Amino acid sequence: GESVGLHLPTLSVQEGDNSIINCAYSNSASDYFIWYKQESGKGPQFIIDIRSNMDKRQGQRVTVLLNKTVKHLSLQIAATQPGDSAVYFCAESVGTYKYIFGTGTRLKVLA
Amino acid sequence: DVKVTQSSRYLVKRTGEKVFLECVQDMDHENMFWYRQDPGLGLRLIYFSYDVKMKEKGDIPEGYSVSREKKERFSLILESASTNQTSMYLCASSEFRRRGYTFGSGTRLTVV
Repeated sequence: GESVGLHLPTLSVQEGDNSIINCAYSNSASDYFIWYKQESGKGPQFIIDIRSNMDKRQGQRVTVLLNKTVKHLSLQIAATQPGDSAVYFCAESVGTYKYIFGTGTRLKVLA
Repeated sequence: DVKVTQSSRYLVKRTGEKVFLECVQDMDHENMFWYRQDPGLGLRLIYFSYDVKMKEKGDIPEGYSVSREKKERFSLILESASTNQTSMYLCASSEFRRRGYTFGSGTRLTVV
């Protein structure tokens, strides 16, 4: 069946280093993807999105890469800061209004 | 900023109670959604609505119903709460299909 998954449940990085969070998806027809950040006690917050006609999209300190060949999505955070500590998860568009969400990766930033 | 407001952050209810979770958005979004979030399972769609008085079942609608009498308000109803409905409930809204959702802060419901 369709699935969106994450390779690492927890990622610890030193402050100032770059972080890479990965996501695998299984629906080759999906044409839109989103990364969300969820801080403790808060709802998910939109970070960045990408359409399937793109390989890469950059935001402020974040970059999303899409590899359609292997159905893989990644989120790169440059110069990771303590405020980046959160759970990150990807979402895959599977039709009008609907998404499949990954289970999430917890990012811990070490001082 | 778009705001999606969920009326309660924490709720504790007894088994068999009827529970109402309220959600209000202030950006005139057509689409509204209710998800539950459980460890290891991610977000699962319960119900969604793309217009006033319209509703569609999501992936796990059993034991739930919804009401959307006004565009800005979308209510999730647990007709008879059970312990397996203990979860974090997230409301979201969206205007365009591809713009992603704006989520509320969530309601953590415990059924005892």
